[in-house]
Amino acid sequence: GEDVEQSLFLSVREGDSSVINCTYTDSSSTYLYWYKQEPGAGLQLLTYIFSNMDMKQDQRLTVLLNKKDKHLSLRIADTQTGDSAIYFCAELGGGADGLTFGKGTHLIIQP
Amino acid sequence: GAVVSQHPSWVICKSGTSVKIECRSLDFQATTMFWYRQFPKQSLMLMATSNEGSKATYEQGVEKDKFLINHASLTLSTLTVTSAHPEDSSFYICSASRGGVYNEQFFGPGTRLTVL
Repeated sequence: GEDVEQSLFLSVREGDSSVINCTYTDSSSTYLYWYKQEPGAGLQLLTYIFSNMDMKQDQRLTVLLNKKDKHLSLRIADTQTGDSAIYFCAELGGGADGLTFGKGTHLIIQP
Repeated sequence: GAVVSQHPSWVICKSGTSVKIECRSLDFQATTMFWYRQFPKQSLMLMATSNEGSKATYEQGVEKDKFLINHASLTLSTLTVTSAHPEDSSFYICSASRGGVYNEQFFGPGTRLTVL
């Protein structure tokens, strides 16, 4: 079945850039997503990218997709304390309409 | 560990009937459970957040009387779609959180609802 892998933790200093990585196995993925979960809250969609795109930028967020390597990354520029959260990568397969999520990356901000 | 199950995995019902979907945390106590809805080929949308023993908090645009959520215990939450109509057909996913420092969220496999 499909699988989505992420590192469990990432620690960065405030003001630096954060890069959260994700790999997936489904070669027929159509959409790939990044969700953010703040403490005690549900998932909120941050951004998404179509599988035929290489990059998408939205303010401080940059998504890079390497479809050949099945690698997705989320870069957060000028990381702030409010960015501290769990970030989930998810993919939508070509044949199915359910999402496959990674287990989430905890982004820890150091002062 | 940290397994979340949903039942049923799929259900087909007639228009006007009610359908109950269960979400269970099998090996941990879930302080908070979340219900999501996913339309075909679209992303996951949060419907509501429920804490054990209290009323669910619904997201804007979600009808409380339409989607009844009960979180009676630390391992079980139910979503009842009342008087279902074809437009309610969707994929419903729950997740459970056990709190703690990082408040990880674990997802159920989802329930496919088809209303005829």
